[in-house]
Amino acid sequence: SQKIEQNSEALNIQEGKTATLTCNYTNYSPAYLQWYRQDPGRGPVFLLLIRENEKEKRKERLKVTFDTTLKQSLFHITASQPADSATYLCALEHGSSNTGKLIFGQGTTLQVKP
Amino acid sequence: NAGVMQNPRHLVRRRGQEARLRCSPMKGHSHVYWYRQLPEEGLKFMVYLQKENIIDESGMPKERFSAEFPKEGPSILRIQQVVRGDSAAYFCASSPLGTAKETQYFGPGTRLLVL
Repeated sequence: SQKIEQNSEALNIQEGKTATLTCNYTNYSPAYLQWYRQDPGRGPVFLLLIRENEKEKRKERLKVTFDTTLKQSLFHITASQPADSATYLCALEHGSSNTGKLIFGQGTTLQVKP
Repeated sequence: NAGVMQNPRHLVRRRGQEARLRCSPMKGHSHVYWYRQLPEEGLKFMVYLQKENIIDESGMPKERFSAEFPKEGPSILRIQQVVRGDSAAYFCASSPLGTAKETQYFGPGTRLLVL
């Protein structure tokens, strides 16, 4: 069956450290994968998109990798800050639909302690 | 440039009533997506619309739920005869044409509570 999985347990790290979040999927062949941030009571906010032919993408303190062989994406936040505390969602495009329809993981909650 | 707007932000209905959720996409965006987020669960795709057309409704329950995106005005998600299990946050997202549609911009959501 098709699945997209993120660490269900919250990730607690100290300010200044690098946070690494994992997204694994099975039985999908996405053309791209995205990461979103969601704060309590708010809608998701787009962060980064990485395509199947890209290994790595960076934006300021954020870095995303995409390994289509392992069927895994890693999301890194370097020099983390308390303001980075939120739930982070990975989403992949349901390749066969070609409609931009996104399949979301359940999210990993990150808590950065000062 | 206003973002995606949804209203109402909170909606309380009794079992058997109708719920109407509205979504105004970002200016210039012609694609609208609706997602549902149940407590302690991830976002689930419901329906994808373009102006006056339903493109993909594979995530919509077969009964009681309908969606439209008219030529003029907001997109509407309508839930008839609501039940307690419909209580959730409903998010609308919009995207522009072409490959840029890959990025979806989400609204703040409507939180529906069915008593």
